[in-house]
Amino acid sequence: SAVISQKPSRDICQRGTSLTIQCQVDSQVTMMFWYRQQPGQSLTLIATANQGSEATYESGFVIDKFPISRPNLTFSTLTVSNMSPEDSSIYLCSVATGGGTEAFFGQGTRLTVV
Amino acid sequence: TQLLEQSPQFLSIQEGENLTVYCNSSSVFSSLQWYRQEPGEGPVLLVTVVTGGEVKKLKRLTFQFGDARKDSSLHITAAQPGDTGLYLCADAASGTYKYIFGTGTRLKVLA
Repeated sequence: SAVISQKPSRDICQRGTSLTIQCQVDSQVTMMFWYRQQPGQSLTLIATANQGSEATYESGFVIDKFPISRPNLTFSTLTVSNMSPEDSSIYLCSVATGGGTEAFFGQGTRLTVV
Repeated sequence: TQLLEQSPQFLSIQEGENLTVYCNSSSVFSSLQWYRQEPGEGPVLLVTVVTGGEVKKLKRLTFQFGDARKDSSLHITAAQPGDTGLYLCADAASGTYKYIFGTGTRLKVLA
């Protein structure tokens, strides 16, 4: 299993600014994942973060908008850049263990852009 | 790209009623999971099923995996307010650890 802590849990930000979300895992993991959950919607994968290499982004997501850092095997950050109200969502950090048969999630960061 | 469609999208029922939630995939599942997400929390795994036709029970929850491994159902018996939440089916793309999530069913159980 894995315990994931995310900070901040929520924030209200002005449009045009950036917010960095931190994710800390209680064990070393190879891959960390960042998801977005728009209001009332399901989860959409933004990118996969591997330690020591650039993140891999899913279709529709770009590094300039969502830069990711992965400095070690227990920590990652996701930045939401130049925010607009359309970026208002819950952002979730996740890891998968047990051969990929279970995903563990942080409690999420609820972002509101005004 | 695999698409996971869940139905119904919303469900509001009285305590003690039974309900069934469905998940249909556009392609064969690698490994099907069901998650429940409560407000302010991340999703939490309920069950993993891998074999076509498999049935698993978790207290009042019964999970069924279709023979062709393209559909699944979640049945809740005698629903309780604590069952309230967003139910998500998911598939982990084989060998990648990347998850695709269904469209979700938002359940509200009224006391």
